[in-house]
Amino acid sequence: EDKVVQSPLSLVVHEGDTVTLNCSYEVTNFRSLLWYKQEKKAPTFLFMLTSSGIEKKSGRLSSILDKKELFSILNITATQTGDSAVYLCAVSYSGGSNYKLTFGKGTLLTVNP
Amino acid sequence: DAGVIQSPRHEVTEMGQEVTLRCKPISGHDYLFWYRQTMMRGLELLIYFNNNVPIDDSGMPEDRFSAKMPNASFSTLKIQPSEPRDSAVYFCASSYWDVYNEQFFGPGTRLTVL
Repeated sequence: EDKVVQSPLSLVVHEGDTVTLNCSYEVTNFRSLLWYKQEKKAPTFLFMLTSSGIEKKSGRLSSILDKKELFSILNITATQTGDSAVYLCAVSYSGGSNYKLTFGKGTLLTVNP
Repeated sequence: DAGVIQSPRHEVTEMGQEVTLRCKPISGHDYLFWYRQTMMRGLELLIYFNNNVPIDDSGMPEDRFSAKMPNASFSTLKIQPSEPRDSAVYFCASSYWDVYNEQFFGPGTRLTVL
């Protein structure tokens, strides 16, 4: 069963639109939720969230975590064609004494000019 | 810093052959992770090391896969014998101080097993 579920799987928007990407999870011993951006290469780090209700912001991107409802959202305002990528959500948790990390399948965002 | 370095960037081999993927983490990082990415299964953590010691290899798919980290600046992931279903992009990533910190990914090795 998938522990990390992202939605939508894909999204097509026009430049200037605002988008919201969703990530829900179901793990025990939660430690953190991470967002990555993956273009045609390696994932690059965007945010790490550990506390509920505290928004993290970087330019036009922002993210927030809800540990009660077990989800996170990633918002992108005033989208640009350079935002086109797969956005990955990952959840870290403790499995026994070891660290575990599970990625969602990602949301493919396409921003058209 | 040059970032995480992986080699080769592309590898095409025939079924049954041994494949060795290489990784050099960012200097000073004490955690190293190996991932596999496929369309079907997404990004999967295979194994991770802390200070050159393997901590959790529960993600390694089967005994054909092995990983080593002989020193702080080098790690290998070996597949022997390789099979077509091993075709994927293999990423190496590193982080510092805390395993829960952000990870920095290498460019990946695209492996094709014919």
